[in-house]
Amino acid sequence: EAGVAQSPRYKIIEKRQSVAFWCNPISGHATLYWYQQILGQGPKLLIQFQNNGVVDDSQLPKDRFSAERLKGVDSTLKIQPAKLEDSAVYLCASSGRLGYEQYFGPGTRLTVT
Amino acid sequence: AQTVTQSQPEMSVQEAETVTLSCTYDTSESNYYLFWYKQPPSRQMILVIRQEAYKQQNATENRFSVNFQKAAKSFSLKISDSQLGDTAMYFCAFSYTGTASKLTFGTGTRLQVTL
Repeated sequence: EAGVAQSPRYKIIEKRQSVAFWCNPISGHATLYWYQQILGQGPKLLIQFQNNGVVDDSQLPKDRFSAERLKGVDSTLKIQPAKLEDSAVYLCASSGRLGYEQYFGPGTRLTVT
Repeated sequence: AQTVTQSQPEMSVQEAETVTLSCTYDTSESNYYLFWYKQPPSRQMILVIRQEAYKQQNATENRFSVNFQKAAKSFSLKISDSQLGDTAMYFCAFSYTGTASKLTFGTGTRLQVTL
């Protein structure tokens, strides 16, 4: 079975620009997560979707970050405008019936200059 | 809210030796899951082992085993017969039970396996 796909793998932008990341979860997985991993830290949840509804977005900086999961499959995470402190790896994960088992994608490394 | 603490930023072990990574956590819940994840330089986060809090028996997966001390809120990972491919960041993580609960991660331990 195919794993979680993410693109792009790397992105470099200047501050105040916008950027979007894409995630395709494992087929049939209802739950999708976006985590932010700053260098030297563990991943931190930004937003969690159950099908196409938001379960938890309490840690999402809503003034600049947005995310959607249309039709309960693919998801897009957007940052507009980006700040220097947004430099991080953005990880997407999904889980199926066994909700405690999350499968991670390869991540997108964002550098904001 | 739950917290996860990993007090060893870096560790080193020789090939074929045994190493133990430490993790403590804090929660008021009585039932939950604990995990160890491995993140190689390629960044793909891989599940190493899982422990359900209601189970007294420590989980084991081949060369990987845990020492789960519920009263002490301690969850250490033992890697036996270390291999060069074990070189990675190791993250301890917590989640509540129930459908699709988020993971709360520690800050990680960088493990280097040497010849």
